[in-house]
Amino acid sequence: AQSVTQLGSHVSVSEGALVLLRCNYSSSVPPYLFWYVQYPNQGLQLLLKYTTGATLVKGINGFEAEFKKSETSFHLTKPSAHMSDAAEYFCAVSDRAGGYNKLIFGAGTRLAVHP
Amino acid sequence: GAVVSQHPSWVICKSGTSVKIECRSLDFQATTMFWYRQFPKQSLMLMATSNEGSKATYEQGVEKDKFLINHASLTLSTLTVTSAHPEDSSFYICSARLAGGGNEQFFGPGTRLTVL
Repeated sequence: AQSVTQLGSHVSVSEGALVLLRCNYSSSVPPYLFWYVQYPNQGLQLLLKYTTGATLVKGINGFEAEFKKSETSFHLTKPSAHMSDAAEYFCAVSDRAGGYNKLIFGAGTRLAVHP
Repeated sequence: GAVVSQHPSWVICKSGTSVKIECRSLDFQATTMFWYRQFPKQSLMLMATSNEGSKATYEQGVEKDKFLINHASLTLSTLTVTSAHPEDSSFYICSARLAGGGNEQFFGPGTRLTVL
């Protein structure tokens, strides 16, 4: 079964520092890949997604992610962290063959940004 | 565009009562809606997939008689937690997929259920 691994349940960075949140998937067939952000007591907001084409995907709020098939990874980065980036981040995958496009979520990474 | 709402945003009920949560796609039609459950500081777990006009597909381990799902129209799905118990207390989130294809799900803001 498809699974998603997010390394590091908590990541702490200084304001202005690089943000790197890691995500690896298990499927031998590259799935659709997503990053979502969740603020406290709210639903999920899509940051970016990869379906096909260019492997470097740019999303909202300055985030981007690169699909690396050889590493089965889809790490999320942002060059300079802002205080407002503090939130929970979820990596998710969806099988390309799935009729209902079920999303499988990773465990999440809580990003803290300190002054 | 692609806004999903949930009602109520939070609810407190007594043990043994039933609670209904609504999920609406406000500006698009959704043939498929999904219901997730999220425990504190944990990830989202898919409970069931709801298709308009047909029975929901439940994930393994989710009691379909406990969590009743109705997808009566292309813009509304409801989740009813029957005979709620304290262990049902959780954050319930729905999402909707655009009719006509696409693999993106749009998420609602969630409903916090507390069962006393």
